[in-house]
Order: sequence, then C-alpha cells, then structure tokens
Amino acid sequence: ETGVTQSPTHLIKTRGQQVTLRCSSQSGHNTVSWYQQALGQGPQFIFQYYREEENGRGNFPPRFSGLQFPNYSSELNVNALELDDSALYLCASTRNAGGFNEQFFGPGTRLTVL
Amino acid sequence: TQLLEQSPQFLSIQEGENLTVYCNSSSVFSSLQWYRQEPGEGPVLLVTVVTGGEVKKLKRLTFQFGDARKDSSLHITAAQPGDTGLYLCAGYFGNEKLTFGTGTRLTIIP
Repeated sequence: ETGVTQSPTHLIKTRGQQVTLRCSSQSGHNTVSWYQQALGQGPQFIFQYYREEENGRGNFPPRFSGLQFPNYSSELNVNALELDDSALYLCASTRNAGGFNEQFFGPGTRLTVL
Repeated sequence: TQLLEQSPQFLSIQEGENLTVYCNSSSVFSSLQWYRQEPGEGPVLLVTVVTGGEVKKLKRLTFQFGDARKDSSLHITAAQPGDTGLYLCAGYFGNEKLTFGTGTRLTIIP
C-alpha cells in the first residue's frame, strides 16, 4: 500500500474531447510526477510538480497540462484528445531517502480514446 | 536523450529455474532503480542502487550495479509463479526526471 490514489480507474473519451485525471499523493510528499505508459512500454515522464510549480517536463505537447494543489494533490489535463493518447496514466509521489529519490506510484488511470 | 535498453523483452521459464535480466545505457546513472509492475497496478519499487559495483539482495532477487554505473542486472534464483510481472529499470541521470526502460515481461510457468 503506497498511499497514492488515482481517479478514475478507467475512462473512455472520444477524439477532440478533454480529460482531467486526479491524484492524491502520499502524506508528506510534496513532489508529484505524471507518466504515460502505452501498452507494452515503460512509463514516459510527462511532468513534475513541486510545491504547486511545474518542475520539469518531458517531451509532451502543451495540450498536456497539470496542477498541484496546496494539499499536494494533483491533476493532469489533456486537451484535444488524440487516439495515441490512449494509455495508462500514472502519478507518483516522491520522497528523498538518504540523498536519492524514491517514487511511489498510484494504480493508474486507464484512458481509452475512441 | 538518455535511453535505457532492457533485455530480454520477454522471458518465460519454468518454476525453480534461475534467470537474469539486464538494463543498459550509454550514459552514467546517478542512481538506478528496479520496479515490478503487475497488471492493473502501478510500478512498485524493489531496490535503489547508487554506488558503482554495488550488489543488493532482496530474498531471492540479487541486483547488481555496474562499476561504471551504466548498466545493471537483476538475477532471480529459483523463480516462483509469484515473480511473474513486468520488470522495469529506471534511472536518474543527474536530474530529477526518472527515465524508464522498456521493461522485461517475465512469466513463470508452474
């Protein structure tokens, strides 16, 4: 049990629509990262938030955006959905353990774009 | 762009056998982690290695970090059906972004 929760667990949208995914990070962790995991691949880094500010971004277009709230929960928003956006979206909260970071992942949201 | 290559991509072996999976990069890791992911769940951290040449053991799992900190291996002794899953290596390359490999999908046949 990592303490990271995500909602919803599954979601079906159509091309062009917008979606918001939510994440509650583990208590005491002030950094949250979002990843996209396509079928059969490893997770790819989307972006990271630290104390409500974006703190690093991967190779994703601006239609992928996020928010982090004062309680360290987070949202991932995707506009103008495309078929290739179908994937498992994972959030992870981070703690620093003796000089290196450890990430604790939620169960993910499975997004299907039709 | 740092790339992590994992091999093999798929591995299916009988219960009780030993196996090794590999993770390689052309860049030096500041630290490297191994995760296991089961269907419908997020990755679960197994171990973090930081020092070149480091060896860590977790029950039947042995993790090794290469001397040059560019490669790592995971060895499982006497595999059990509960070891089935997707094994992912992931590395930090001196920044805060965790880069994942493509994974090794392991199936243990009872």
